[in-house]
Amino acid sequence: GNSVTQMEGPVTLSEEAFLTINCTYTATGYPSLFWYVQYPGEGLQLLLKATKADDKGSNKGFEATYRKETTSFHLEKGSVQVSDSAVYFCALSAPSYNTDKLIFGTGTRLQVFP
Amino acid sequence: EAGVAQSPRYKIIEKRQSVAFWCNPISGHATLYWYQQILGQGPKLLIQFQNNGVVDDSQLPKDRFSAERLKGVDSTLKIQPAKLEDSAVYLCASSRLAGEQFFGPGTRLTVL
Repeated sequence: GNSVTQMEGPVTLSEEAFLTINCTYTATGYPSLFWYVQYPGEGLQLLLKATKADDKGSNKGFEATYRKETTSFHLEKGSVQVSDSAVYFCALSAPSYNTDKLIFGTGTRLQVFP
Repeated sequence: EAGVAQSPRYKIIEKRQSVAFWCNPISGHATLYWYQQILGQGPKLLIQFQNNGVVDDSQLPKDRFSAERLKGVDSTLKIQPAKLEDSAVYLCASSRLAGEQFFGPGTRLTVL
């Protein structure tokens, strides 16, 4: 069945460091891919998405490219800030005849120190 | 526009008790989802409604969980009786047809 695997955390970085959080997926057909972020005490928010192979999603300095050949959707940011500290979830949606549910990875906690 | 509202935000009960959670989706959103997020895991879909009809409840433990969406707007998720393993955050989300899912703040349930 469809699934998402992402790197375990926590990821601990200093401010202005480069960030990569790995995400790979297994899916039938052509899923859409997402990164969601959960800041402390808040609900899940969509960070970025890509709906087809080679698409690049970007938002707030974060980027991820839909790589069909490696079934990956790694999240990157060139220079992290303390305010980026949160839990990041990779997810896919493989719409079928009856549902467009999201299937999530286990989440990666990012901690950024000044 | 107002976001997805959920209540209560926190609930502590003893095992074998009953509990209910309420969700009010964003106005105009036809699709409503309930996800369960166990500590250390990603959210997992329990049930999806389109208007007031069930689209997918394949992962809903129907012997103890039930959900309804009367009039295609608000929804209630009930657990009766609760087990220890039901301790989790229950997330409600809504979307326009095949659109982006917007999540509420969640209800954190602790079963003692």
